[in-house]
Amino acid sequence: EPEVTQTPSHQVTQMGQEVILRCVPISNHLYFYWYRQILGQKVEFLVSFYNNEISEKSEIFDDQFSVERPDGSNFTLKIRSTKLEDSAMYFCASSVVKSAFFGQGTRLTVV
Amino acid sequence: KQEVTQIPAALSVPEGENLVLNCSFTDSAIYNLQWFRQDPGKGLTSLLLIQSSQREQTSGRLNASLDKSSGRSTLYIAASQPGDSATYLCAVVSGGYQKVTFGTGTKLQVIP
Repeated sequence: EPEVTQTPSHQVTQMGQEVILRCVPISNHLYFYWYRQILGQKVEFLVSFYNNEISEKSEIFDDQFSVERPDGSNFTLKIRSTKLEDSAMYFCASSVVKSAFFGQGTRLTVV
Repeated sequence: KQEVTQIPAALSVPEGENLVLNCSFTDSAIYNLQWFRQDPGKGLTSLLLIQSSQREQTSGRLNASLDKSSGRSTLYIAASQPGDSATYLCAVVSGGYQKVTFGTGTKLQVIP
């Protein structure tokens, strides 16, 4: 069964550094998403991406964040100048025909 | 704006008991509703997906129902086992870009 793949599974970074979280969505999917879950809290929507551009973003998704689909297969989330409060599990998802499939997440720890 | 609420926030039951988890959503214009399981510090495991045109889905000891018009879904777990201990998340897909909105979760503990 096709699946969404995220790498790395765990990333530790120093405060102020830039990180790139990577995702390989399911190949025929058209909609792509990033979600975030701070430890002990709910899963929150960050951004959706369709037709090579951001279609919707939450108030969390400020100028510190950016997304890209550089080569037609990968979908990346870049976080510039990381802060301690960016520590969370980040989930990528892709969707077609209104059914979303989630990756297993990247746990980001900012120290 | 779609909001999803789950009740109760936490539940502790003895092994073997049947239980019901509740989910409600504010905007009934959904495409589908999905129940996930999440173990501590882990990712999301999809349990059941109910399309908006369906009333229920079953998988093993799990049964999920959907009443779209009233904005409610329930997840029924039969004969609970300690291995069922986890957080259960309800999520709905809605909106022009098919955004998923998650509930706050129900943390379930099944006591042997």
